[in-house]
Amino acid sequence: GEDVEQSLFLSVREGDSSVINCTYTDSSSTYLYWYKQEPGAGLQLLTYIFSNMDMKQDQRLTVLLNKKDKHLSLRIADTQTGDSAIYFCAERQNAGNMLTFGGGTRLMVKP
Amino acid sequence: EAQVTQNPRYLITVTGKKLTVTCSQNMNHEYMSWYRQDPGLGLRQIYYSMNVEVTDKGDVPEGYKVSRKEKRNFPLILESPSPNQTSLYFCASSLYTGGETQYFGPGTRLLVL
Repeated sequence: GEDVEQSLFLSVREGDSSVINCTYTDSSSTYLYWYKQEPGAGLQLLTYIFSNMDMKQDQRLTVLLNKKDKHLSLRIADTQTGDSAIYFCAERQNAGNMLTFGGGTRLMVKP
Repeated sequence: EAQVTQNPRYLITVTGKKLTVTCSQNMNHEYMSWYRQDPGLGLRQIYYSMNVEVTDKGDVPEGYKVSRKEKRNFPLILESPSPNQTSLYFCASSLYTGGETQYFGPGTRLLVL
């Protein structure tokens, strides 16, 4: 079946850039998403990219998609302590609306 | 304010005691869905609904039921909860099936003793 994988943990210093990586297996993915989950809160959609795009930039966030390698990344520029959270990547297949999520990457930002 | 609401937010219950977690959205969305979140596993879809009276199984439907009698509501029913259903549950909705953005509720943390 489909599989989405992420590393469990990332630690950066405030002001540095963070890069969170994700790999997926389903080549029929149409949309790929990044969600942020702060402690005790639900999932907040950060950004998404359509599968025919290579890159999408939205303020401090840059999403890169390498469709050949099935690799998605989220770069956060000038990382702040408020960016500390768990980040989930997710893919949506062509067939329907079901999202397949990765296990989440916990980002810790040190002051 | 456009939102997805869930109730209750926290629930402790015992094995076998039927419970319902409600989900409501005020955005006139057609598509609604339930996920459970477990450590290291991300979110897994339980059931989804493409419109009123149209529901289907997701990845992990065993032990759950849903109904969609009205567009705005999509309750999750555990007829006989078991400890392995202890989890964090999220309801989500999107404008239509195939809509690029799903909006998530705040989550319901369930503990089954």
